[in-house]
Amino acid sequence: EIVLTQSPATLSLSPGESATLSCGASQSVSSNSLAWYQQKPGLAPRLLIYDASRRATGIPDRFSGSGSMRDFTLTISRLEPEDFAVYYCQQYGSSPPITFGQGTRLEIK
Amino acid sequence: QVQLVQSGPEVKKPGASVRVSCQASGYTFTSFGISWVRQAPGQGLEWMGWISAHNGNTNYAQKLRGRVTMTTDTSTSTAYMELRSLRSDDTAVYYCTRGPVLLSDFDYWGQGTLVTVSS
Repeated sequence: EIVLTQSPATLSLSPGESATLSCGASQSVSSNSLAWYQQKPGLAPRLLIYDASRRATGIPDRFSGSGSMRDFTLTISRLEPEDFAVYYCQQYGSSPPITFGQGTRLEIK
Repeated sequence: QVQLVQSGPEVKKPGASVRVSCQASGYTFTSFGISWVRQAPGQGLEWMGWISAHNGNTNYAQKLRGRVTMTTDTSTSTAYMELRSLRSDDTAVYYCTRGPVLLSDFDYWGQGTLVTVSS
């Protein structure tokens, strides 16, 4: 089973700043099969990025994903008030189980 | 537009079973699979398993094997997740998600169903 470790656990920033969220894998994620999700309180997660760097439909270009193998990054530039939420990474590259990171909480400073 | 609409909240006693439904619309149901993901209160996301709506093949998370069964009804485009021998640590919001194959990202999610296990 691939374990995903996200850092930091909490990130405090102001609107207009940029956020860098990290996701480290215990083993190489094949085919860069890594996704990022945003979750707001009381709502289901929303897909932001898939295949490490491809934006999902309707996702603004201030969200970008990068990385490969065991190290992945979600960058959010020019933070908007609606971007403050919890973010999860997910790997789907190896045989089951699909696994998620424990989440990074992005909060307003 | 694609929608996954789940059944309502449930309260169950320890040892009981629960079945959550997920009705899909806006796409060809049998062209995709359904994964189930749960989230305990204040916790992260846990993948439970996947079922192909095309042929009914399933793959369950090892920790839930023997307690979980996923099925589909293609006549109503509905997926079901049954969890048996409920324990207090099964208290969670249960989500259905769409995934084309077993190993995939999840582009659409149901609204979630809160299952509370309490004596």
